[in-house]
Amino acid sequence: GNSVTQMEGPVTLSEEAFLTINCTYTATGYPSLFWYVQYPGEGLQLLLKATKADDKGSNKGFEATYRKETTSFHLEKGSVQVSDSAVYFCALVVGGSNYKLTFGKGTLLTVNP
Amino acid sequence: SQTIHQWPATLVQPVGSPLSLECTVEGTSNPNLYWYRQAAGRGLQLLFYSVGIGQISSEVPQNLSASRPQDRQFILSSKKLLLSDSGFYLCAWSPWTEGNTIYFGEGSWLTVV
Repeated sequence: GNSVTQMEGPVTLSEEAFLTINCTYTATGYPSLFWYVQYPGEGLQLLLKATKADDKGSNKGFEATYRKETTSFHLEKGSVQVSDSAVYFCALVVGGSNYKLTFGKGTLLTVNP
Repeated sequence: SQTIHQWPATLVQPVGSPLSLECTVEGTSNPNLYWYRQAAGRGLQLLFYSVGIGQISSEVPQNLSASRPQDRQFILSSKKLLLSDSGFYLCAWSPWTEGNTIYFGEGSWLTVV
């Protein structure tokens, strides 16, 4: 089956620190990979995605590269802000599965001023 | 542009009462539609998905049901709520022209008392 493993945290950083949230996956087939962000009390927002090996998704200063050889899709940001405090979910979808997302358990990020 | 609307945003219901959560998508046709639940602790569970009018697939046995009476409308229902139905419910959609990306609504907080 399909699965996503991400560091559960919580992760606490100071403003302007470097962020890495690790995500690895297993999939039956060729997955597309996603990072979603959930701010307190809100729904999930698509942060970035990558659909094939070596693709780099990027948005709002966040980046993640689809690494097929290591089955990873780690999320990075060079300088976090207080407003980045949220829960981050790594997810995958495999074509032919009616596009059902498989999620990691989420990583709570808190950025202190 | 496409948008998703979900309501009500918050509701408190007594045990044994009925439930109806509604979701509509605008600006697209024939989307895949999904209901997810997020219980305390952040994990996301797929409850139902639909690839067309009247076509509903259930992922887990439970006290809930879903219906799709129109192309862009998805309804989550229960005849008699249980305490364990409390949680954060998220409607989501995937455009058939970009089938592997799923977008979420703002969510509905349900508390069963």
